[in-house]
Order: sequence, then C-alpha cells, then structure tokens
Amino acid sequence: GAVVSQHPSRVICKSGTSVKIECRSLDFQATTMFWYRQFPKQSLMLMATSNEGSKATYEQGVEKDKFLINHASLTLSTLTVTSAHPEDSSFYICSAAVDRNTEAFFGQGTRLTVV
Amino acid sequence: AQTVTQSQPEMSVQEAETVTLSCTYDTSESDYYLFWYKQPPSRQMILVIRQEAYKQQNATENRFSVNFQKAAKSFSLKISDSQLGDAAMYFCAYRTPLWSGGSNYKLTFGKGTLLTVNP
Repeated sequence: GAVVSQHPSRVICKSGTSVKIECRSLDFQATTMFWYRQFPKQSLMLMATSNEGSKATYEQGVEKDKFLINHASLTLSTLTVTSAHPEDSSFYICSAAVDRNTEAFFGQGTRLTVV
Repeated sequence: AQTVTQSQPEMSVQEAETVTLSCTYDTSESDYYLFWYKQPPSRQMILVIRQEAYKQQNATENRFSVNFQKAAKSFSLKISDSQLGDAAMYFCAYRTPLWSGGSNYKLTFGKGTLLTVNP
C-alpha cells in the first residue's frame, strides 16, 4: 500500500520560534496533499489543501501567514508553523492523494508542543 | 455544505461479539465516496473500508462491512467477531469525486466514535 511519512513525530519548541513539519509520499507521487489539525479527543480539522507547484488553498479561519505550506515536489509538502505560541500546540496530520479521485493516505502525525 | 454526523461518541463491545457504528450525512450531490477510518492510540489514520455511492452493493472487508442506505443518507459500519485490536476511534468521512463537478474533493469527517473492546 501507499506510504506517507511524516517527520518529526514529536517536536517541542519555544514560543516565538518556527517549526517545520515534513510530509513525504514514499512510493507514489502525490498530486494533492492535505494538512489537518486534531485536538485531543476531537475530529480532524482540515487546515489547507496543497497541489504541487501551486499555492495552497486554506480553509476559512486558518491564518496562511502563520501556517506556511510549501508543496515543492510531487513527493514532499511542508508545513511551517511560524512564531509559534502555546495555543498552536496540537497534533498535525498530513495526507496525500495520488489523484483527486482516490482516497488519501495519512502520515503518522506530529505532536507539536510549544512551551 | 456537506456534513457528517456520528451520534455515538462512545461504544463498547465484548470480544468476539458484533458491533455497529452509526453515521449519517447530508449532501445534495449524487456521486460521492464514503469512508470509515480507524485511529488507534498511535493516532495513525487507517482506512477501514470505502463505499462508492453509485454502487448499490455494500462494501465488505473481512470482518468489516457497511450498511449503505443512500436514500436515508446512512452509512453504518459493522464489525464482526470483534478483537482487542479493533479498539480505536472510528471516523466516518465523506467526499465528492472531482469528475462529478464538485470541487469539494476534500474529506469531511464526523466527530468520531470511540470503540472499546472488552475481553
């Protein structure tokens, strides 16, 4: 099956710093990647959708200047949380789709803690 | 906008027994996909089963099967012969295919049902 690798799995950063999370499709080329945020015991909330080589589409209420998404290649998308604050602490999950008509495969998630 | 509702925040089942998780959705689209995802304590999202709306036959994957009622907009998941490893959060999800003309090919998730399996 398709494998999506997300790195790091856990990260702790100081308030005010930036942190980058990588999402890689290991055995397929992902035309579309999705970034989600999940609070404890809650569902996944879509933050943005990115297509290779174009700007990401952000969901309403998500600050694009705070959550920078880059989809530079068909196998890599990155989410950078800029000027992190404790309220940004959460579980971030990426998923990647081969094309828009198939299910997306999920990475292992990243637990971000901002202290 | 499409919505997905899971009315059971928590469910429990005895090992080897059968349990059914409920899901309803609201959409004006005629073509779409429905999914059940499992999220164990590791928090890795795992696809359990998928149903295309144009298929009348209910999808089945080993011990997992669905009851898809398109007119009622209902999509329940039945887990037979429950095992301890089935304990997880289960999410029902919906999306439309791009070819249907809908731009909403992103997944819309329900709030989830936490399944406990008792030995």
